Parts: sequence; C-alpha cells; structure tokens
Amino acid sequence: DAKTTQPNSMESNEEEPVHLPCNHSTISGTDYIHWYRQLPSQGPEYVIHGLTSNVNNRMASLAIAEDRKSSTLILHRATLRDAAVYYCILSGGFSGGYNKLIFGAGTRLAVHP
Amino acid sequence: KAGVTQTPRYLIKTRGQQVTLSCSPISGHRSVSWYQQTPGQGLQFLFEYFSETQRNKGNFPGRFSGRQFSNSRSEMNVSTLELGDSALYLCASSPGQSAGANVLTFGAGSRLTVL
Repeated sequence: DAKTTQPNSMESNEEEPVHLPCNHSTISGTDYIHWYRQLPSQGPEYVIHGLTSNVNNRMASLAIAEDRKSSTLILHRATLRDAAVYYCILSGGFSGGYNKLIFGAGTRLAVHP
Repeated sequence: KAGVTQTPRYLIKTRGQQVTLSCSPISGHRSVSWYQQTPGQGLQFLFEYFSETQRNKGNFPGRFSGRQFSNSRSEMNVSTLELGDSALYLCASSPGQSAGANVLTFGAGSRLTVL
C-alpha cells in the first residue's frame, strides 16, 4: 500500500491561512489523494480529494504537485473549529482499491485565538 | 439527510465474550466499511462490504467478522474478546462504485471497552 508522510503537528493562529503538506512519493497513476480530518471525540470527516488538478471546495483547497509526489491542503482562514488531526490518504488503484483507506498518524493542527 | 448511524455508542464487555456492532449507512449508499481506532495503532481498516459481498479485508484475525444485509445495513462481530480489542469502532458508508474517488461518511463510532 502506498504511504503518505505528514508532519506530526502544526500550529496556526485564528484567521490565518494554513498549509498542511503531504508527501506521497510512491503514488500510482490511479491513486486519488484524499484528505480527512478528525475532530476530538468524532469520527473522521471528509475534507477534499483530487487526482491531478488542484481542487477547491467550501472547506479547503488542495494543491497537487505536477509530479503528484506531494500535495498541500490549504485552509484559507483557520478557525478554532479547524483544530483537528488531518489525514492525507491515497485511495484506489494500487493503494488498496475500493474504500480501503490507509490512515497514517496524520498532522495534529492546533489553532490559537 | 440522515448520516451514518452506529449502535450502540458505548459498551463494556469482559474477556472471552463476543460483541456485535451495527451500522446503518446513508440511504442509497451500497458500501460500508469498518475501521478500528486505538491510541497505539491509530485508524486501521477492518473490512468493506458492497452489495452484501466482502470486497476488501484488512489484516485482522478471524475473530473479526462482518456482514451486510440487502438493505445495506452492516454488522461486525468480534468473538472471544481480548483486552486489546478495546477501541473505537468506526463505520463509514459511500456510494461505493468508483475506485479511489469515493467519499466516505463516517459514523460517530462505537466505543468498546473490554475488561
């Protein structure tokens, strides 16, 4: 299963942008890049996903490197509610197929008022 | 629309017992997957069912089993409970038909404590 590498923790101030990096150097051509986050005492929550092009939704933006070996989740204005563990996951293709998400340790994001 | 519902939310069992956890997916979703979350191992994939068939399986012993019914509801069972089975068990549902692009919606989990 292809792996991802993320920093253990990051900090941000409220209302500032946050860039969460993820390395996935062994990504295959059919792997999608997914981001989920887990708030305290809750199940993981979908944030965004993409294949090759950058993606935007109401929660965040996903910037994917041209060689697809890395990606960055961008929270444009962090709020206290964004404090969570963020997981970068590869899904599909040779990374385990349908819905078999391989979670790493993720990045714990702290947001300061 | 209603989210993913897991029952029970909390339960306590003793070693050697067995437990059954239930998951009701979002209406229309045909895929249900199960994950175990522990402080030491993090989130680990257990298995996934699509249209009543197990499509993927993680690296767990045979004591962990599951099934899916025709209405897409799923159950997982753990037999001969061990202390190490204490964990948060999460269920996730998705439409299930796109390899790699499926968005999973997770339930709040069932927290199992084994004494």
